Amino acid sequence: AQSVSQHNHHVILSEAASLELGCNYSYGGTVNLFWYVQYPGQHLQLLLKYFSGDPLVKGIKGFEAEFIKSKFSFNLRKPSVQWSDTAEYFCAVNGGSGYSTLTFGKGTMLLVSP
Amino acid sequence: EAGVAQSPRYKIIEKRQSVAFWCNPISGHATLYWYQQILGQGPKLLIQFQNNGVVDDSQLPKDRFSAERLKGVDSTLKIQPAKLEDSAVYLCASSLVPSGGSSYNEQFFGPGTRLTVL
Repeated sequence: AQSVSQHNHHVILSEAASLELGCNYSYGGTVNLFWYVQYPGQHLQLLLKYFSGDPLVKGIKGFEAEFIKSKFSFNLRKPSVQWSDTAEYFCAVNGGSGYSTLTFGKGTMLLVSP
Repeated sequence: EAGVAQSPRYKIIEKRQSVAFWCNPISGHATLYWYQQILGQGPKLLIQFQNNGVVDDSQLPKDRFSAERLKGVDSTLKIQPAKLEDSAVYLCASSLVPSGGSSYNEQFFGPGTRLTVL
C-alpha cells in the first residue's frame, strides 16, 4: 500500500522568506507525484506534478519541487513566499495502478505573515 | 468551463440519521471520485467510478456508505446511519480516462460538503 508523509503540519513564515515543505512516500514502483494546494475557502487545485523526466518540476505561482528517487522524496520549494501563499498544501502520490488513484499526505498549513 | 458541482455545501445531522450528497462532474469526465477528508488529515478515497462502473471501493465502509452513478454522469453518496466519526468534508472529483499509456489524468475537485454529525 502507498503512503505519504508530510513532515510539518504547520509552518509560519514571514513574507520573502524561503519555503521548503517535505514530502516522503512509500511505494516501490513507478510513481506519479503531485502537490495540491487549498487556499482559504477555495477548492483543492493542482500546484505541480511529476511523471517522468527532469526531476525538478516547476508549477504555478513560482513553486517548484524536486523528485529524489533514492530518498523517496518530493519536496516543495519557493524562494520567496508572499502573504497570498497562505494555504494548506498536500503532497499526493499515484502508484501507477492504472486508475488514477491518489494517496494524499496529511497536509501542511502554511501561514505567511505580512 | 464549469467545474465540479456539489450540494449541499453544509449539512448537520444527528447520529443514526441518514444523509445524501450529490455531485455533478465536469462535462465529458468519465471518471468520478468521492473522498472523505477528516479535519487535520488529507483526503482519503472512498470510491472511484469509471462511467457507471465501480473500479475501486476498497476503502468504502459498505455497512453504512453507498454510492451510485446510474447514468455515468451525476453521482450520489449516502450514509445510513451516520456516526459521529463520519463528520468530515466529502469531496467529489472528476477526471478524463487515462489514455496513451498514462496511468493518470488530472483530477479536478469540487468545493466539498461539510458534514457535522451531532
